[in-house]
Amino acid sequence: LAKTTQPISMDSYEGQEVNITCSHNNIATNDYITWYQQFPSQGPRFIIQGYKTKVTNEVASLFIPADRKSSTLSLPRVSLSDTAVYYCLVGDMGGSNYKLTFGKGTLLTVNP
Amino acid sequence: GAGVSQSPSNKVTEKGKDVELRCDPISGHTALYWYRQSLGQGLEFLIYFQGNSAPDKSGLPSDRFSAERTGGSVSTLTIQRTQQEDSAVYLCASSLRQGPDTQYFGPGTRLTVL
Repeated sequence: LAKTTQPISMDSYEGQEVNITCSHNNIATNDYITWYQQFPSQGPRFIIQGYKTKVTNEVASLFIPADRKSSTLSLPRVSLSDTAVYYCLVGDMGGSNYKLTFGKGTLLTVNP
Repeated sequence: GAGVSQSPSNKVTEKGKDVELRCDPISGHTALYWYRQSLGQGLEFLIYFQGNSAPDKSGLPSDRFSAERTGGSVSTLTIQRTQQEDSAVYLCASSLRQGPDTQYFGPGTRLTVL
């Protein structure tokens, strides 16, 4: 099971691009990288998932270098409503290890 | 379509009592997950169901915790003889199939053990 490390908190301002990096040095060959967003009193919400290189959707981009030992979630032009905790998850959801663990996440605060 | 639902949304109980938490996954989702989130902590995986089977229950913190799933749909997490350290938000998620698939979370059940 790959352990992940991400910053505890980050501050930004409306309209800025925010990049949150997650380290996962022990990532395994079959592991995918998934990011979730969580608002207070709500369950986590899927943002994006990738295996290598770059993935982009209508919400964010995910950059994964060739060695896959880290990944960066990029949020373009954040707004106040993007203030939330962001979790990086690394796991093989199709293999024999079902014990997926989320870390403490990164609290992103977007200021006006 | 409806998302994952959980009930009750809040549960306050006394130490030593048993509680049952319910999860209704998205219709057609074969995989179901239970997680626990304590105040200020990250998500902790508890158990995973594929259909009605739980391939690995090692995430359950003690033998006071048990879970079952019937009809490949509804799941119940039972905590016997609750302790104060069991207080947390219990989250359920489901995904369409086994594999690297998106997990959709419910709103959670906030359990408080007095």
